[in-house]
Amino acid sequence: AQSVTQPDIHITVSEGASLELRCNYSYGATPYLFWYVQSPGQGLQLLLKYFSGDTLVQGIKGFEAEFKRSQSSFNLRKPSVHWSDAAEYFCAVGAPYNTDKLIFGTGTRLQVFP
Amino acid sequence: DAGITQSPRHKVTETGTPVTLRCHQTENHRYMYWYRQDPGHGLRLIHYSYGVKDTDKGEVSDGYSVSRSKTEDFLLTLESATSSQTSVYFCAIRTERGEAFFGQGTRLTVV
Repeated sequence: AQSVTQPDIHITVSEGASLELRCNYSYGATPYLFWYVQSPGQGLQLLLKYFSGDTLVQGIKGFEAEFKRSQSSFNLRKPSVHWSDAAEYFCAVGAPYNTDKLIFGTGTRLQVFP
Repeated sequence: DAGITQSPRHKVTETGTPVTLRCHQTENHRYMYWYRQDPGHGLRLIHYSYGVKDTDKGEVSDGYSVSRSKTEDFLLTLESATSSQTSVYFCAIRTERGEAFFGQGTRLTVV
């Protein structure tokens, strides 16, 4: 069965520091992978996605993620965090060519200190 | 935002009453989803639809029903609301490429 694990519930970084949010998935083949961001009281916004091809994908707001098949991971990174990046981040996995389900991790809350 | 509108945005209801949440989309997407979001659980799939009158259960479907009589509308009904259904409910659509886009959510409180 598909599953997504985000091992870090809460992360705190200083503004300007680098960031890496971890995501591990369980799936029998190469899935579709997504990162979403949610600001308080808002819906989820798609940051980036991986379908196939280049394993390093670029997203909006300066974020990138790297798909590592051998580690079943899809970690989100940003070289320099801004205070406005404080939010909750969700990793999600879906089956290729099958849009019936998208499974989410439990989220990582990012706090940014000035 | 893929033209997704959820209504109402906030609702307080009493235990045992029926509640219907509406999701409306303007871009004719085939796939629509209802999730609930609770602290520590992330988003959990309640029901989804892959076309008019075609729906299926997600992982937390007990106590919920859905209907989709038109492509643009996907309704979620709590037949008899319970306090455990207090949550934030999100509607989503998925494109044919597999990307999901979400509405702004409905905060439901059952007292």
